[in-house]
Amino acid sequence: QQPVQSPQAVILREGEDAVINCSSSKALYSVHWYRQKHGEAPIFLMILLKGGEQKGHDKISASFNEKKQQSSLYLTASQLSYSGTYFCGPRNSGNTPLVFGKGTRLSVIA
Amino acid sequence: EAQVTQNPRYLITVTGKKLTVTCSQNMNHEYMSWYRQDPGLGLRQIYYSMNVEVTDKGDVPEGYKVSRKEKRNFPLILESPSPNQTSLYFCASSAHPSGAPQHFGDGTRLSIL
Repeated sequence: QQPVQSPQAVILREGEDAVINCSSSKALYSVHWYRQKHGEAPIFLMILLKGGEQKGHDKISASFNEKKQQSSLYLTASQLSYSGTYFCGPRNSGNTPLVFGKGTRLSVIA
Repeated sequence: EAQVTQNPRYLITVTGKKLTVTCSQNMNHEYMSWYRQDPGLGLRQIYYSMNVEVTDKGDVPEGYKVSRKEKRNFPLILESPSPNQTSLYFCASSAHPSGAPQHFGDGTRLSIL
């Protein structure tokens, strides 16, 4: 079952912050985050492990809330290069493949 | 350079004409998978393979076949393509199905007329 991402789309001005949420109906093992530019392949951003770890990638960080079965991606002081569609992929157990959410389209404008 | 290579990148064909999209990775990854991407639906998994000769259905396997005879290759076969299979297809590989980053190919845009 696909995780639920919110919002579906967001428009930001350069320098603004954004939060993208990813909720799973099942217990979380870890969560992957990917970004896809239009017409390109998705690119790996980070993996969050259970335990509430917060990881960072440039000015992009994420948190993992095992209890809420949710992960959030934080984009701070957004840049034009942050534009794209962000996908989360929760890992629910052992060797089960990732199931990606429908994505959040982020547009950063000058 | 570590990469996942898909061919062709673009293909326009007609209903019923069998086609194969090839996927090859040079990272010695055990896990490979195929996704299709349609507007508003995200990345939906078609088939995946945990290792050589081990394949399994994903969420949308109808109308597709795969094989994994060698570790590096994972071709996607459409025996009798139909217009509803018009989509953007991605192959991905990983050292683990969900515990390691997925490396995606550049995609294959398929149009079935």
